[in-house]
Amino acid sequence: AQSVAQPEDQVNVAEGNPLTVKCTYSVSGNPYLFWYVQYPNRGLQFLLKYITGDNLVKGSYGFEAEFNKSQTSFHLKKPSALVSDSALYFCAVRDGNRDDKIIFGKGTRLHILP
Amino acid sequence: GAGVSQSPSNKVTEKGKDVELRCDPISGHTALYWYRQSLGQGLEFLIYFQGNSAPDKSGLPSDRFSAERTGGSVSTLTIQRTQQEDSAVYLCASSPGLSPTYNEQFFGPGTRLTVL
Repeated sequence: AQSVAQPEDQVNVAEGNPLTVKCTYSVSGNPYLFWYVQYPNRGLQFLLKYITGDNLVKGSYGFEAEFNKSQTSFHLKKPSALVSDSALYFCAVRDGNRDDKIIFGKGTRLHILP
Repeated sequence: GAGVSQSPSNKVTEKGKDVELRCDPISGHTALYWYRQSLGQGLEFLIYFQGNSAPDKSGLPSDRFSAERTGGSVSTLTIQRTQQEDSAVYLCASSPGLSPTYNEQFFGPGTRLTVL
């Protein structure tokens, strides 16, 4: 069965600095990987996904994520953080070889400090 | 509407009562998911429907929980004999289908369930 881990409950970054939110996964087949964001009092929104192709995936709001097969990681990154990026971020995985469910990590709360 | 809708938005019930939560997915979406979001617990998978296939119920926490999807569209999550630990936000999501291009999920606003 697939699983996903977000090792950090919270990440604090100063505005303007680069940010990284970590995610590692385990899946028996080809991984389909996703990042979602949940702003306060709003629903989950899709940010980006990796299905196949380039390891660096670009998504909404200037975010990108790097797929690393050898390290089974899919860390979310942004070169310059904004205060408005403060939110709860979820990594998710699906086994691409199976008609299977999407499993989410427990989430990482990102605080961007002004 | 264009998005996933859920009702009610808030539900307060007494311990031991049954509740039904409804999800209307985006029209034409064949996949439907239920998740539970508790404070500090992240997003917990409950159940997954894909087309006419048997649902994946592996995430349901107990036999008090059940879900059905009628006509491949609307889904109802039922919790019988509610307990205080069932208090959470219940989220529904749909996605267009099996193609890798369409794996993205669209989430509803959730139903906040409070069991007194």
